[in-house]
Amino acid sequence: KAGVTQTPRYLIKTRGQQVTLSCSPISGHRSVSWYQQTPGQGLQFLFEYFSETQRNKGNFPGRFSGRQFSNSRSEMNVSTLELGDSALYLCASSRTRQGGSYNEQFFGPGTRLTVL
Amino acid sequence: GNSVTQMEGPVTLSEEAFLTINCTYTATGYPSLFWYVQYPGEGLQLLLKATKADDKGSNKGFEATYRKETTSFHLEKGSVQVSDSAVYFCALTDSGSARQLTFGSGTQLTVLP
Repeated sequence: KAGVTQTPRYLIKTRGQQVTLSCSPISGHRSVSWYQQTPGQGLQFLFEYFSETQRNKGNFPGRFSGRQFSNSRSEMNVSTLELGDSALYLCASSRTRQGGSYNEQFFGPGTRLTVL
Repeated sequence: GNSVTQMEGPVTLSEEAFLTINCTYTATGYPSLFWYVQYPGEGLQLLLKATKADDKGSNKGFEATYRKETTSFHLEKGSVQVSDSAVYFCALTDSGSARQLTFGSGTQLTVLP
């Protein structure tokens, strides 16, 4: 069974640009969550999508947005990039029914974004 | 809000040494607790979990016990190997937002042959 895949693996952008990252969950998983990992702030929750709806959102500015498609694939977008957005962005998927209890989250390898 | 405090790293041990990485938490309700491991250049892998008080999670020789009275979930392994070198993260989800993980700062473990 294929794991969580994220594309691209590496990205270099300049300040002010925007970027879109993609995540394909494990087949059958309907929940996708996104996390930002930086040396200074550690791992922080961005948002979670289930059945194309954002169910939970972390404490990030509106420049960070996401969406989920009917096949459960998800994208996140960062507009007007800042130097501080340089990070490893991790996607995780889980097999969970809406409102259900915790199910294990499986993480992808991440996308390394560098903002110059 | 929820928070996880982890033992500061880095930790360097010799092969076959005993490992303890301390983790304490603050959460509302009845959180589930996890240890994740991150190898260089990879994403996170779930190492073990415990979903209620006094549960013991175990996997690959690692163990951790959910201690509600001390709000702790310390990771232990009796004999580490070079292949255990990685970054270890303690994390929790609370009962209200089951799929939002709150992570500790991570502990870098290096095991020398």
